[in-house]
Amino acid sequence: EDKVVQSPLSLVVHEGDTVTLNCSYEVTNFRSLLWYKQEKKAPTFLFMLTSSGIEKKSGRLSSILDKKELSSILNITATQTGDSAIYLCAGTNTGGFKTIFGAGTRLFVKA
Amino acid sequence: NAGVTQTPKFQVLKTGQSMTLQCAQDMNHNSMYWYRQDPGMGLRLIYYSASEGTTDKGEVPNGYNVSRLNKREFSLRLESAAPSQTSVYFCASSELTGDNSPLHFGNGTRLTVT
Repeated sequence: EDKVVQSPLSLVVHEGDTVTLNCSYEVTNFRSLLWYKQEKKAPTFLFMLTSSGIEKKSGRLSSILDKKELSSILNITATQTGDSAIYLCAGTNTGGFKTIFGAGTRLFVKA
Repeated sequence: NAGVTQTPKFQVLKTGQSMTLQCAQDMNHNSMYWYRQDPGMGLRLIYYSASEGTTDKGEVPNGYNVSRLNKREFSLRLESAAPSQTSVYFCASSELTGDNSPLHFGNGTRLTVT
């Protein structure tokens, strides 16, 4: 059965800290790994990763995929209170419409 | 810049009642999806529509039906609501068919079945 597991489930840090969120996946015919940020309502897209070892970066956020270890990490440097959210990781398969989501990591950044 | 619009935002039903959740997107996307989100379980796919005129079951389709009314609209119907269907429901769309484009989500419908 396909699955995506995220760790930790929740995390509390102080502003300015650097955090690393983890995602491991078992997806048949794996195609891509996606990260979303969910604040109060709709998840919003952050990154799509398809190749191992190539870092994607957007401001203070970055992510990388390791296809050998079937995992990905999302790094957030110099965290701000606005980074408080649930971060969702999802895996997709080739040729299908299946996007398997993890349960998410709830991040709380204290001022 | 509406994106994906869902209605209603909140709904309370009694067991056995029926209702339809509406979803519309204005991005000219081909594919549309319905997910439910429950604590500790992530987002689970209920039904999807790869393109106008087609619908397929996802991971948790029991108790639900869908209609792809046209390219813009994709509705989710609960014929006889059960407490197990208490959840937050998200509609999503994607530009490309298949597996290579991210999902764009609506703001969700919080449904409580008593």
